[in-house]
Amino acid sequence: DGGITQSPKYLFRKEGQNVTLSCEQNLNHDAMYWYRQDPGQGLRLIYYSQIVNDFQKGDIAEGYSVSREKKESFPLTVTSAQKNPTAFYLCASSRTGGAGELFFGEGSRLTVL
Amino acid sequence: QKEVEQDPGPLSVPEGAIVSLNCTYSNSAFQYFMWYRQYSRKGPELLMYTYSSGNKEDGRFTAQVDKSSKYISLFIRDSQPSDSATYLCAMSPSGAGSYQLTFGKGTKLSVIP
Repeated sequence: DGGITQSPKYLFRKEGQNVTLSCEQNLNHDAMYWYRQDPGQGLRLIYYSQIVNDFQKGDIAEGYSVSREKKESFPLTVTSAQKNPTAFYLCASSRTGGAGELFFGEGSRLTVL
Repeated sequence: QKEVEQDPGPLSVPEGAIVSLNCTYSNSAFQYFMWYRQYSRKGPELLMYTYSSGNKEDGRFTAQVDKSSKYISLFIRDSQPSDSATYLCAMSPSGAGSYQLTFGKGTKLSVIP
């Protein structure tokens, strides 16, 4: 079955540590995205990539980094510079030609202790 | 004024009721309008996708877009307990901006048997 796989589902980290969230898709989609969801805040775009080896900052990119070395993979690193990293992180993908039809993964919940 | 406004609820209805969910927006450049359904601790899934104004029906779900009023709606007929979820509206402009969806904060719906 085609879809998006995020790992890990739950992650705990100490303050000052970097952590990398994995996102893999087998939908053959060119575009991939990372969103952050906080209670009562809706989804906010962190980074997106329209094509391999290219990515753009979203609304809240500070303290995060990404790479897109393969079409299938778009990992997100939450760095120690992110002031409030505890959140639910969602990866998504879409075909080129418009972002409307996003397909989401199951999410990764990061808790900073 | 926020770009997209959505009443967070919670909204509680009896089984079989007609549900009306709404969003207003301020950016007249928005051309793509979507409704996503998100079950607790899961990623959102696309329910309805509309380009520009008009109505779209899919089974028990009807999406309406009124660009003159900057108002979109989702109607759920014969609501079922399985419809209990958070409903997110989302929208984007066309062209290069279509990769950056703006989401509402979501309305939490409970359908009581």
